[in-house]
Amino acid sequence: QQQVKQSPQSLIVQKGGISIINCAYENTAFDYFPWYQQFPGKGPALLIAIRPDVSEKKEGRFTISFNKSAKQFSLHIMDSQPGDSATYFCAASKNNDMRFGAGTRLTVKP
Amino acid sequence: KAGVTQTPRYLIKTRGQQVTLSCSPISGHRSVSWYQQTPGQGLQFLFEYFSETQRNKGNFPGRFSGRQFSNSRSEMNVSTLELGDSALYLCASSGQNTEAFFGQGTRLTVV
Repeated sequence: QQQVKQSPQSLIVQKGGISIINCAYENTAFDYFPWYQQFPGKGPALLIAIRPDVSEKKEGRFTISFNKSAKQFSLHIMDSQPGDSATYFCAASKNNDMRFGAGTRLTVKP
Repeated sequence: KAGVTQTPRYLIKTRGQQVTLSCSPISGHRSVSWYQQTPGQGLQFLFEYFSETQRNKGNFPGRFSGRQFSNSRSEMNVSTLELGDSALYLCASSGQNTEAFFGQGTRLTVV
């Protein structure tokens, strides 16, 4: 049972463009929604996270938009750079029981 | 502040054997979670330990077990290894604010 659905599976964006990755969850008990970035051979690194009491959170070029009623949240990467090329995972968590989306492989072309 | 340390980084085992993986969390973090990452199934939650007690458990068979020590270090054990257990095993530690920080993982290959 996939509790967090993530799309697209892969994404190609030109340098300077906006990358958008979407996630949807099923369990309304989830109360913490992080995004992780993973490079090959490395563990996932926490990028940005949001709780359901806010609709948007911005940190630098990264923004999470959260729609509680639709049970959806998304990651926007502004001014995408080749160094952003990685796999991105959304997750939903309750009491440290974290469920991940399937991942999005982002390629930013120079 | 040191990050999450997992040992060993790489491991090759034979079917039927058992394996123990180790995770040292960030100092002060009392929660340790384990995940299995494979190309086909993605990141799957195994279990979470907090103050030496298993607090959450994913949908894995009983061959997968873990424990946590009083210093918050955690071990994960897989018995009777199967080819399908080949994966990257990741642990993550969390403090009070739920943010989870991952180690680099242990790459297990079962032959």
